[in-house]
Amino acid sequence: KNEVEQSPQNLTAQEGEFITINCSYSVGISALHWLQQHPGGGIVSLFMLSSGKKKHGRLIATINIQEKHSSLHITASHPRDSAVYICAVISGRSSGDKLTFGTGTRLAVRP
Amino acid sequence: KAGVTQTPRYLIKTRGQQVTLSCSPISGHRSVSWYQQTPGQGLQFLFEYFSETQRNKGNFPGRFSGRQFSNSRSEMNVSTLELGDSALYLCASSPKAGGGNEQFFGPGTRLTVL
Repeated sequence: KNEVEQSPQNLTAQEGEFITINCSYSVGISALHWLQQHPGGGIVSLFMLSSGKKKHGRLIATINIQEKHSSLHITASHPRDSAVYICAVISGRSSGDKLTFGTGTRLAVRP
Repeated sequence: KAGVTQTPRYLIKTRGQQVTLSCSPISGHRSVSWYQQTPGQGLQFLFEYFSETQRNKGNFPGRFSGRQFSNSRSEMNVSTLELGDSALYLCASSPKAGGGNEQFFGPGTRLTVL
């Protein structure tokens, strides 16, 4: 079992729909990142969370440390939101932080 | 501010060769991390450099190495290339050390090993 699991793996939505992508992890973490990767490879960091909730425009990220779960929500989805969304957790160890990535959720938003 | 730049963007090598990739961080950022992305394994952490010192290392063989210069630019080297090293190599910079800080990614270098 992977330390970081994302669901769903693939998601197709109609423009305007509310979208939720989930990330569950099995280790204790100090922080969690949500990343967006567009075709061609470029990655943008959307959020870094250690507790609670963050909002940026139409994007909302939440994390529940006790339940080891985070969600990324997209409100009023748009075709330009089509991308792969990746969560990454940071867990500490004596030799430094360990970054572990989920396998990503491929989102396609149709006009 | 200019973003993170990586050179070259594309590279084709043959098995057994070695390769050096370069990453220039955002001005003022002292941490540079390297990642490998493959269709099979996804994104994996290679190593992090901060102030010219390797601060953290992922689970990769010794053929993968890196360094950081006094101007924070970083290079990674892969020796004795294998077919499985074909991947997108990404670097990311951050003002501070550690994965718990916002990271700014470069466009990546796509390496193909024939």
